[in-house]
Amino acid sequence: DTGVSQDPRHKITKRGQNVTFRCDPISEHNRLYWYRQTLGQGPEFLTYFQNEAQLEKSRLLSDRFSAERPKGSFSTLEIQRTEQGDSAMYLCASNLLGRGSETDTQYFGPGTRLTVL
Amino acid sequence: KNEVEQSPQNLTAQEGEFITINCSYSVGISALHWLQQHPGGGIVSLFMLSSGKKKHGRLIATINIQEKHSSLHITASHPRDSAVYICAATRGPLHSMDSNYQLIWGAGTKLIIKP
Repeated sequence: DTGVSQDPRHKITKRGQNVTFRCDPISEHNRLYWYRQTLGQGPEFLTYFQNEAQLEKSRLLSDRFSAERPKGSFSTLEIQRTEQGDSAMYLCASNLLGRGSETDTQYFGPGTRLTVL
Repeated sequence: KNEVEQSPQNLTAQEGEFITINCSYSVGISALHWLQQHPGGGIVSLFMLSSGKKKHGRLIATINIQEKHSSLHITASHPRDSAVYICAATRGPLHSMDSNYQLIWGAGTKLIIKP
């Protein structure tokens, strides 16, 4: 257990439905990242936050995807009008910027596995 | 050509063998990470290196900045070491508020240790 939690762990949904995932980072961490991993592939970067500010979004993040971190603590990732190609493991990670090299390591949550039928 | 390449892609060994996984990168980086992913998706960060060598238990990670190469070694391997090991690079200078800490991932090495 890295201290980063994600909810739900598994989500099965029908195509066209909206889904929302939550990530709770380690409490003092100021950076939070979302990644997506499809079967047999390495994780792909989606977006990251510095406190509540969303600083970068990958071009993988289409208009159907939106992420928030309203109070600089937990984050949500919403996918609207899900498609079968959205089926993947969605990983969240956090770290603390600028306090020394050891804390720059990203700590990953267990992931949310999404299956779109 | 991927910016971070790992070898081998798959590795099967007997319990007790010394394991080496290699990682080469072609981009300028500020740090290189080794991560372990267990079946089911959980990812654990093992090491973050910007120079030299780090050791944690039976795991050793080294990096050669000039050659843009890193290795992960496992001594006295055990079946519980079976996992996917991922090398990932961080672009940009450390400790900079403007840095993009996006990780550039290698494809991973699937390690199976047989009893």
